[in-house]
Amino acid sequence: DTGVSQDPRHKITKRGQNVTFRCDPISEHNRLYWYRQTLGQGPEFLTYFQNEAQLEKSRLLSDRFSAERPKGSFSTLEIQRTEQGDSAMYLCAGGRGQLNTEAFFGQGTRLTVV
Amino acid sequence: TQLLEQSPQFLSIQEGENLTVYCNSSSVFSSLQWYRQEPGEGPVLLVTVVTGGEVKKLKRLTFQFGDARKDSSLHITAAQPGDTGLYLCAGEGAGNKLTFGGGTRVLVKP
Repeated sequence: DTGVSQDPRHKITKRGQNVTFRCDPISEHNRLYWYRQTLGQGPEFLTYFQNEAQLEKSRLLSDRFSAERPKGSFSTLEIQRTEQGDSAMYLCAGGRGQLNTEAFFGQGTRLTVV
Repeated sequence: TQLLEQSPQFLSIQEGENLTVYCNSSSVFSSLQWYRQEPGEGPVLLVTVVTGGEVKKLKRLTFQFGDARKDSSLHITAAQPGDTGLYLCAGEGAGNKLTFGGGTRVLVKP
């Protein structure tokens, strides 16, 4: 158990709808990452927080995606006007320390856009 | 852009056999991590290698980081069905970001 929980585990939505996912890391995780993984592929970086500051956002991320980490604790990832290509597993990972990049992943949220 | 290529993409072996998974890049990484992922779950960290030439052992798993810190390998001795899963390598690049390879799916048949 990595201590990182994600909600919901599964989400089916119609194309054009907005969806929001939540990630709750443990309190020691000052770093928080969001990744996206499609079937048969490795995780693809989306964005990274150090405490409450969003330090990096992938250039692959369209304006329809936004992430927040208020107060440096839980984080949310919102996708607006979903498209079928957004269907994927969305993974959140926490990490400790400033220089350490070891990531502790949650179980992910599987999004299906129909 | 730092890319990691894993080979093979898929490996099917019998219980008791050995296997090796490779992770290669043209870029140098500060460190490299190996993860194992089961269907419907998030990746689980197995090991981190930091120094060029470093070898780490975790029971029947042996991890090696290339001297130039551009490649790594994972060797499993006497594989068991419980070793079945998707093995992912991830390199630490600029900005505390991990870049993942495409993964190697390992199936160990009893």
